[in-house]
Amino acid sequence: AQSVAQPEDQVNVAEGNPLTVKCTYSVSGNPYLFWYVQYPNRGLQFLLKYITGDNLVKGSYGFEAEFNKSQTSFHLKKPSALVSDSALYFCAVRGSGNTGKLIFGQGTTLQVKP
Amino acid sequence: GAGVSQSPSNKVTEKGKDVELRCDPISGHTALYWYRQSLGQGLEFLIYFQGNSAPDKSGLPSDRFSAERTGGSVSTLTIQRTQQEDSAVYLCASSLGGPGLGQFFGPGTRLTVL
Repeated sequence: AQSVAQPEDQVNVAEGNPLTVKCTYSVSGNPYLFWYVQYPNRGLQFLLKYITGDNLVKGSYGFEAEFNKSQTSFHLKKPSALVSDSALYFCAVRGSGNTGKLIFGQGTTLQVKP
Repeated sequence: GAGVSQSPSNKVTEKGKDVELRCDPISGHTALYWYRQSLGQGLEFLIYFQGNSAPDKSGLPSDRFSAERTGGSVSTLTIQRTQQEDSAVYLCASSLGGPGLGQFFGPGTRLTVL
């Protein structure tokens, strides 16, 4: 069965520093991987995805993610964090079979301090 | 350029009552998804509609939950005989249809069962 793990409940970073939010996955077949962000009292917003191709994927708001097949990871990164990046981040993988449903990780709260 | 809309934004009901939650997907999106977000369970897939295909109902937690999508557009999620454990934010998402495409989420309906 497809699954996703986000090992950190919370990540704290100082503004201007690089940030990493970790995600590992378990899938049968080729993974379709996604990152979403949720700001307080708002719905989820799509950040980026990996389907195939380059292992480094660039997305919205300056975020990027690196697909690493050998480590089964898809960590979210940003070179320089902003206070406004503080939010809840979800990693997701497409479910198995002929479905578009997403299996989400538990989420990681990113706190960027001035 | 409207996004996914959901109504109501908040719903408070008494245990045992039925509720209906509505989702208006982005125009032209053939795929529609319902998810549930709760403190204890994170983000869970409920049901997936794709065009005229039979829906993927594998995530519905019990037979009290049902959903329909009329005319390939608007969807209604119905919860019968609500229980306190049904309290959660119910999120709707839509996409153009392919499993590799990002899903666009609505703001959610916060359901509170007293």
